[in-house]
Amino acid sequence: EPEVTQTPSHQVTQMGQEVILRCVPISNHLYFYWYRQILGQKVEFLVSFYNNEISEKSEIFDDQFSVERPDGSNFTLKIRSTKLEDSAMYFCASTGLVDYEQYFGPGTRLTVT
Amino acid sequence: DAKTTQPPSMDCAEGRAANLPCNHSTISGNEYVYWYRQIHSQGPQYIIHGLKNNETNEMASLIITEDRKSSTLILPHATLRDTAVYYCIGGISGYALNFGKGTSLLVTP
Repeated sequence: EPEVTQTPSHQVTQMGQEVILRCVPISNHLYFYWYRQILGQKVEFLVSFYNNEISEKSEIFDDQFSVERPDGSNFTLKIRSTKLEDSAMYFCASTGLVDYEQYFGPGTRLTVT
Repeated sequence: DAKTTQPPSMDCAEGRAANLPCNHSTISGNEYVYWYRQIHSQGPQYIIHGLKNNETNEMASLIITEDRKSSTLILPHATLRDTAVYYCIGGISGYALNFGKGTSLLVTP
């Protein structure tokens, strides 16, 4: 069964450093999403991406964040200058044009020290 | 997005049916009721969705009241592997999912 993959599974970085989280969505999917979950808290939406542009974003997704689909398979989330409060699990998801469900990846645990 | 209300926790004995309620009185006519679950810190997993009619798949059944103000997710024969946080979400296909705190279901032997 096709699945969303994410790399790395765990990333440790120092405050102020840039990080790039990578996702490979399911191959024929057209909508892509990033969510995050701070430890012990609920899953929060960050951004959605369709037709090579951002279609929706939350107030969390400020100028420090950016997304890109650099080729036909990868979908990346970049955090330019990480803060301690960016420590969280980051989940990528994708869905097709006629699908109703979003398929989530296993997540990347980001630890900012 | 529709605001949903779920009990924070529930218990269920293994092999019995787990019935998870959700109130979504503000759901609009074009919003679906989605159910997802999250096992430990894994990525959320889609379970089922519905608009007006009751739905059933290999994982669960979804019963939606006629006025669409509430629904119940039914896991017919709960197993220990069904222990998870279950989220009821009102939304539209292709748009962001607005997760709440969900119901933490504990299936006991």
